[in-house]
Amino acid sequence: GQQLNQSPQSMFIQEGEDVSMNCTSSSIFNTWLWYKQEPGEGPVLLIALYKAGELTSNGRLTAQFGITRKDSFLNISASIPSDVGIYFCAGPGNKLVFGAGTILRVKS
Amino acid sequence: DAGVTQSPTHLIKTRGQQVTLRCSPKSGHDTVSWYQQALGQGPQFIFQYYEEEERQRGNFPDRFSGHQFPNYSSELNVNALLLGDSALYLCASSLLGADTQYFGPGTRLTVL
Repeated sequence: GQQLNQSPQSMFIQEGEDVSMNCTSSSIFNTWLWYKQEPGEGPVLLIALYKAGELTSNGRLTAQFGITRKDSFLNISASIPSDVGIYFCAGPGNKLVFGAGTILRVKS
Repeated sequence: DAGVTQSPTHLIKTRGQQVTLRCSPKSGHDTVSWYQQALGQGPQFIFQYYEEEERQRGNFPDRFSGHQFPNYSSELNVNALLLGDSALYLCASSLLGADTQYFGPGTRLTVL
């Protein structure tokens, strides 16, 4: 079955720093989704990507659909304390497959 | 506009018991998917319902079953509970064929 490898596993950064995380798939995806999950909550959709090479922003968040269609990247600029949570990549469609998540901690 | 709602929030059961979890989709959505999220892991797809029928299923045993009602709400049933069934159960709704799914807050199931 499809597998997603997400890295890094966790990050502990200083407030104001930029953050980068990525996700790779064992197979080609037609859609990449990025979710954020906070304690006690369900995942919240941040960004959806539909085309290879696509670069999409949502505020301080920017995500890219890799040109090989087997990877995706998420960047967060100028991190703030409320960015804390677990970030998941997912794809490719109705039967979503999720990565294991990147735990983000921000030190203020 | 109400988002996806789930009930109950928390549930404690003992091994061998049966449990039913409920989900109401986001207004306008007709498709409901269920996921199991074990501690420290990403959600895993259980199954998806559309027009009151199971359309797709993940790698879960027959002890996991579901139902969708005419108003698009859905139930997840788990029989003969095992300790390993302890997890956060997430419901997600979407329009049929849409890639983006919207998740509810989940039901935390603990099996003792």
